[in-house]
Amino acid sequence: GAVVSQHPSWVICKSGTSVKIECRSLDFQATTMFWYRQFPKQSLMLMATSNEGSKATYEQGVEKDKFLINHASLTLSTLTVTSAHPEDSSFYICSAREGGEADTQYFGPGTRLTVL
Amino acid sequence: GQNIDQPTEMTATEGAIVQINCTYQTSGFNGLFWYQQHAGEAPTFLSYNVLDGLEEKGRFSSFLSRSKGYSYLLLKELQMKDSASYLCAVLDSNYQLIWGAGTKLIIKP
Repeated sequence: GAVVSQHPSWVICKSGTSVKIECRSLDFQATTMFWYRQFPKQSLMLMATSNEGSKATYEQGVEKDKFLINHASLTLSTLTVTSAHPEDSSFYICSAREGGEADTQYFGPGTRLTVL
Repeated sequence: GQNIDQPTEMTATEGAIVQINCTYQTSGFNGLFWYQQHAGEAPTFLSYNVLDGLEEKGRFSSFLSRSKGYSYLLLKELQMKDSASYLCAVLDSNYQLIWGAGTKLIIKP
């Protein structure tokens, strides 16, 4: 099946610094990529949807200036958490979809962010 | 390599019971999740199993056998709104999520 990777797997940073997380589709071209945040034993919270070459669409309540998303190519999207604070500590998961809404969404393994 | 297998698609009748199986081969095990995802929406958490046995939550139950690398999600009294994709995901030894491709469940009247 299709593979989606994330890098890094985990990251620890100091408060106030910025962290970039990469999401790659390894064997298909992802027209659309999604970024989620997951709290323990809870549903995935959609943060934003990005289409290659265009600006990301952010969900209500998600600060676009704090969570910068770049979908520069059909195989790569990045999420940058700017000026990170301890409350940003979470498990960030990306997913990628090749075609339209009916297509399968493939999920990445997640990136665990801890902000000290 | 790491692998999660679940059927691609299943069909069931409204009011019936359906069991969606998931088998896994991962480097380590720190729990197994089941999510429900309707088209165009984010996955919704259904269950988390880390110990062997059956966990019941209303119409949904989830079973785990770590020795067999096997889990199933049991849905009872099926309703039309249960038509969705069901995702199985395992947390491996590095606390990374390994995802199945999802099972599309179609409910017919």
